[in-house]
Amino acid sequence: RKEVEQDPGPFNVPEGATVAFNCTYSNSASQSFFWYRQDCRKEPKLLMSVYSSGNEDGRFTAQLNRASQYISLLIRDSKLSDSATYLCVVNIGTGGFKTIFGAGTRLFVKA
Amino acid sequence: DGGITQSPKYLFRKEGQNVTLSCEQNLNHDAMYWYRQDPGQGLRLIYYSQIVNDFQKGDIAEGYSVSREKKESFPLTVTSAQKNPTAFYLCASSNLRTGKNTEAFFGQGTRLTVV
Repeated sequence: RKEVEQDPGPFNVPEGATVAFNCTYSNSASQSFFWYRQDCRKEPKLLMSVYSSGNEDGRFTAQLNRASQYISLLIRDSKLSDSATYLCVVNIGTGGFKTIFGAGTRLFVKA
Repeated sequence: DGGITQSPKYLFRKEGQNVTLSCEQNLNHDAMYWYRQDPGQGLRLIYYSQIVNDFQKGDIAEGYSVSREKKESFPLTVTSAQKNPTAFYLCASSNLRTGKNTEAFFGQGTRLTVV
């Protein structure tokens, strides 16, 4: 079983739609969680951290459920510029951090 | 400006040759990582290091070697034992304390092609 699993998609949505991505992790020693965005042929960049109480940044909302070992990202009012691959990332605390990336979920937002 | 720098951006290797990819960071981060990404795929961890002179194998370490002689530097050598080295290689670094500000920062990547 992979340590971090995501639905690969692709998700094809119209502009203005709301879309949700899910991610599960298997290691209970996971300590911190993030969503990254990766554009084609570019390096991943941090979109937002995910906090236990849930957090929001504009149109983006992240949720964490430690009991179910589950992370989500909700994008409201999708824009064409949101088209990218979204990576779920987990830091596993084993005397330090080991950073594990999910395989990513591809999103295409169409006019 | 603080950041993480990979070089070269593009690299061509002949079969049977070893090549070394450079990764330097001036963020004072303890941890550094190497990932490999194949077209349409996610990132797979090759090696990581949490402290100078120490490193651990990731999920796909075979055919690769690393060193961590300085905190700022974590070069990756792709050896001739790596049978399918053509890929996009990404280096990252992060802090090792708990709580906030432990996200990974990436270099711009090196595209390695075997010719």
